[in-house]
Amino acid sequence: EAEVAQSPRYKITEKSQAVAFWCDPISGHATLYWYRQILGQGPELLVQFQDESVVDDSQLPKDRFSAERLKGVDSTLKIQPAELGDSAMYLCASSSIQGATGELFFGEGSRLTVL
Amino acid sequence: QKEVEQDPGPLSVPEGAIVSLNCTYSNSAFQYFMWYRQYSRKGPELLMYTYSSGNKEDGRFTAQVDKSSKYISLFIRDSQPSDSATYLCAMGTGRRALTFGSGTRLQVQP
Repeated sequence: EAEVAQSPRYKITEKSQAVAFWCDPISGHATLYWYRQILGQGPELLVQFQDESVVDDSQLPKDRFSAERLKGVDSTLKIQPAELGDSAMYLCASSSIQGATGELFFGEGSRLTVL
Repeated sequence: QKEVEQDPGPLSVPEGAIVSLNCTYSNSAFQYFMWYRQYSRKGPELLMYTYSSGNKEDGRFTAQVDKSSKYISLFIRDSQPSDSATYLCAMGTGRRALTFGSGTRLQVQP
């Protein structure tokens, strides 16, 4: 069964360091999302891609976060510099249909701990 | 105020009980309503999908949407220990990404 692949699964870093997360969506899925899930809370959208274009990055803290999907397939989310409040699970999801009409398939997430 | 409100629990029930999980929302434009299940240290997976108002049943699970009250529910019949997880409601409109609730942690005791 096709899955969304994410790496690394776990990352521990010190504040002010740079961190990068990678996501490979299900083949053929044009829509890709990055969500952040703080412990005990629901996922919150950071950025939505349609192919290689950003559809919504209104909630992305652009002073420290960046996201790209250069060839419209895999994607990278970067944080520089990391802050203590960035400790969370970073979830990547993909869908064959843009927006709420399409089922989201989530990866297992990348858990970040900032010390 | 958040667009989607969900009681975080935790909710602890004995095996075989009927479980009721709920969410309220403020955005009347929401048309698509989902329930996702998330096991510990895993990504969420889609459990139920409902468009607009009404009921939908799938095995032991029933999803209800009351748009007039801006209230959605998930019922689990004959709950099993394997149902122990966090249940996230999610909703959206058209091309906009889903908005999730904070999740309710459910523990089914054997």
